[in-house]
Amino acid sequence: RKEVEQDPGPFNVPEGATVAFNCTYSNSASQSFFWYRQDCRKEPKLLMSVYSSGNEDGRFTAQLNRASQYISLLIRDSKLSDSATYLCVVYSSASKIIFGSGTRLSIRP
Amino acid sequence: GAVVSQHPSWVICKSGTSVKIECRSLDFQATTMFWYRQFPKQSLMLMATSNEGSKATYEQGVEKDKFLINHASLTLSTLTVTSAHPEDSSFYICSASWEGPYEQYFGPGTRLTVT
Repeated sequence: RKEVEQDPGPFNVPEGATVAFNCTYSNSASQSFFWYRQDCRKEPKLLMSVYSSGNEDGRFTAQLNRASQYISLLIRDSKLSDSATYLCVVYSSASKIIFGSGTRLSIRP
Repeated sequence: GAVVSQHPSWVICKSGTSVKIECRSLDFQATTMFWYRQFPKQSLMLMATSNEGSKATYEQGVEKDKFLINHASLTLSTLTVTSAHPEDSSFYICSASWEGPYEQYFGPGTRLTVT
């Protein structure tokens, strides 16, 4: 079992839709969690941190479920520009960083 | 803020030659820099972590004699791929952080093709 797993997608949804995807992690001692987005052939860019209490940034909401060991990302009112690959990042410890393989999201007009 | 640059953005080299990639933090001092490799349609794989002035810590399976990392200052780290082989062709991305490993800021990447 991979330490961090994501549904590779692609998720193909119409503009304006709400879409959500999860990322599961196997190490219950994992400390910190982040979502990054990566456009094709570009570097990842930090989207948001994931806090225990959940956090929201505009149309994006991130949640952490420690009991079930997953984090989620919800995108509301999706825009064409949201099309990208979304990577979850899990820090098992301060020195062990693991990237998920990414979930591809495609927003259609 | 938090801009990281990489140079070159792409490079083609012949087998057996060495290639140096530079990673610079432009507007902050990076106490820690990370080097990743990403193959097509795969996720980033951490190769090594380097702190300014000390030796890099390599991930399991990464040959330290092949991938030489130098973090000479708080704004510059270099990765040298020595005796490159076609299987080293990949997208190499660096990232930098000023508060430990969290909230890394990524460079634009270097696409290496070894012929």
